[in-house]
Order: sequence, then structure tokens, then C-alpha cells
Amino acid sequence: NAGVTQTPKFRVLKTGQSMTLLCAQDMNHEYMYWYRQDPGMGLRLIHYSVGEGTTAKGEVPDGYNVSRLKKQNFLLGLESAAPSQTSVYFCASRTPGDPGVNEQFFGPGTRLTVL
Amino acid sequence: AQSVTQLGSHVSVSEGALVLLRCNYSSSVPPYLFWYVQYPNQGLQLLLKYTSAATLVKGINGFEAEFKKSETSFHLTKPSAHMSDAAEYFCAVSGPTGGGNKLTFGTGTQLKVEL
Repeated sequence: NAGVTQTPKFRVLKTGQSMTLLCAQDMNHEYMYWYRQDPGMGLRLIHYSVGEGTTAKGEVPDGYNVSRLKKQNFLLGLESAAPSQTSVYFCASRTPGDPGVNEQFFGPGTRLTVL
Repeated sequence: AQSVTQLGSHVSVSEGALVLLRCNYSSSVPPYLFWYVQYPNQGLQLLLKYTSAATLVKGINGFEAEFKKSETSFHLTKPSAHMSDAAEYFCAVSGPTGGGNKLTFGTGTQLKVEL
């Protein structure tokens, strides 16, 4: 049982390049999330999904797109990377329902640098 | 809308000393509150959670937190710090069931443990 995995672990991009980050979970969770973590700002929600084929905007969605074609995968895309998108990206997943019962499980993160 | 504020971005304690990390919340509904820990270059791990069942919540690794409604606080404590406790700690709040059960994180507190 791998839990939540993220690919790649590290990536360096040049301004204007595009890339896709992959999040996969093997816990059959309905809900999945993408966060970015920046020093002194905690984790901020980019986009989330409450089920296959659905996505919704979080707190900081600009410059990102997402897709949830399969229940177990949640893709985060950067169409034209900017230096402001240099960050550590975390994916998480959980089962719907009582937040006090069903916790979010986090992946190990992807460290992205945009030059 | 819910939010949390963590006072002190950096806290330094001696090994064996009391650990106190502060978190205050703002919520228009009874909150679900969480503390997460992040070790260097890793994802987030749930330490403990408040779900209204008990105001004093015990978590892993000897940590506990007390929910105080009158002070809108959920401070994290540990009686005796260990070197292995050095990490970044995040307080988070979730709204009630529905709406994707999104978490809102504080800005984090970096705990340093010195000999």
C-alpha cells in the first residue's frame, strides 16, 4: 500500500515551459487536493476534486490547471511556468465525510524551481 | 470562513524543556482543528485532531493540545522536548462536512531543539 505518491520529486523549468505533476493514490479516496508550500506562508490550496471528472478552484488557482480523469490520479499542470511558481507542491487525498474521522493523507512533495 | 493564526514562526527550546506552540482559530461554526508535523524534506503527518469529543487531545510522540473555546485557541504542548521533535508544525482548521472538506493551514512554526 503506497498511499499517496507524487511524480516527479524534483524539477527545474525555464520560464515559459510547461509541465504536469502527477499525484496517485491507492486508497480509493474520492477527494484529492493540490497545495503549494512557500516559506512563511504555510500550505495554500490550489485546486481540489471531490470525485472522478470533477475539479474546483482553491485559494490560489491562477496559472494552474488540473484534471481528474481517473479516480486514483490527480494531475496538476503549469501551461507557462513563471518564477513565482517556484515552490514545493503537495498532493493529498481523503475519504468524504466527517473531517474528524477521515483525515487527509499527504504525498512526499515535488520541489519545483522555475528559472 | 475559517482561519488559523500561529504565533511565532520560530521556536527554540532546550532538550527536556516544555514545548509550547501557539495556534488561535477563527470560525463561525464549531471547528475541526488539526496539528500536522513536517520533518525535513518530507510530507505532512497528522499529530492530533480536535473533533469536540474532548477538549484535551492526545496525539502521537507525546504531544497534546487543549481546545479552549473562550480563548479560541488550540495550543500544542509536549512536556519534554527531544532532539527528534525538531520539525515544522502546522495548525489547520476544517469546516463541517461538505464543500470538499478543505483544510486551511497556518503559516507554520519551526521548532528547534538544542542540547
